[in-house]
Amino acid sequence: DQQVKQNSPSLSVQEGRISILNCDYTNSMFDYFLWYKKYPAEGPTFLISISSIKDKNEDGRFTVFLNKSAKHLSLHIVPSQPGDSAVYFCAASGGRGATNKLIFGTGTLLAVQP
Amino acid sequence: DARVTQTPRHKVTEMGQEVTMRCQPILGHNTVFWYRQTMMQGLELLAYFRNRAPLDDSGMPKDRFSAEMPDATLATLKIQPSEPRDSAVYFCASRGWDARTRDEKLFFGSGTQLSVL
Repeated sequence: DQQVKQNSPSLSVQEGRISILNCDYTNSMFDYFLWYKKYPAEGPTFLISISSIKDKNEDGRFTVFLNKSAKHLSLHIVPSQPGDSAVYFCAASGGRGATNKLIFGTGTLLAVQP
Repeated sequence: DARVTQTPRHKVTEMGQEVTMRCQPILGHNTVFWYRQTMMQGLELLAYFRNRAPLDDSGMPKDRFSAEMPDATLATLKIQPSEPRDSAVYFCASRGWDARTRDEKLFFGSGTQLSVL
């Protein structure tokens, strides 16, 4: 049973435009959410996170929005750059503590066209 | 830059053979995770350890997979016997303090690409 779902396997966007990646979760105990980015032949790297006490967190060109009632979060990248082309994984956890496990989605492959 | 080190980077083996994947977590990180990346499941959590003790290995097929931490600098994931459906990329990650975000984060290794023929 997939507790974290990314329903779009891929997304193609023009350079300079906005990229919106979506993620849904089913477990209402999740209260901490993260996005990781993965380039080919490398491990995922942390991008941005949000706690359930917030509905928005921004870091430069990246903004994560959380809608708790809909159990939905999204990652906005503005403006998109070719170097953003990668697989993006959404992840969720029931807390930020060191013993809490991180559950990942299936990933969305973003292609930013020059 | 401290990083999680995984060996081997690539492994090709025949069905029925034993496979051992190794991971050196970042020094000082006490929580170590094993994930498997597949197209269908994304990043699946197989097992994780805290202070070398297993906390959860419910994601692992018990009959053929085993995970251990012989010491704080080494985590191993073994498959015996291996099967073609085990072909995937296996990632190790350790959790520790991220100075940039001032928070605890997962840091991933580069993975072991396993192909079982």
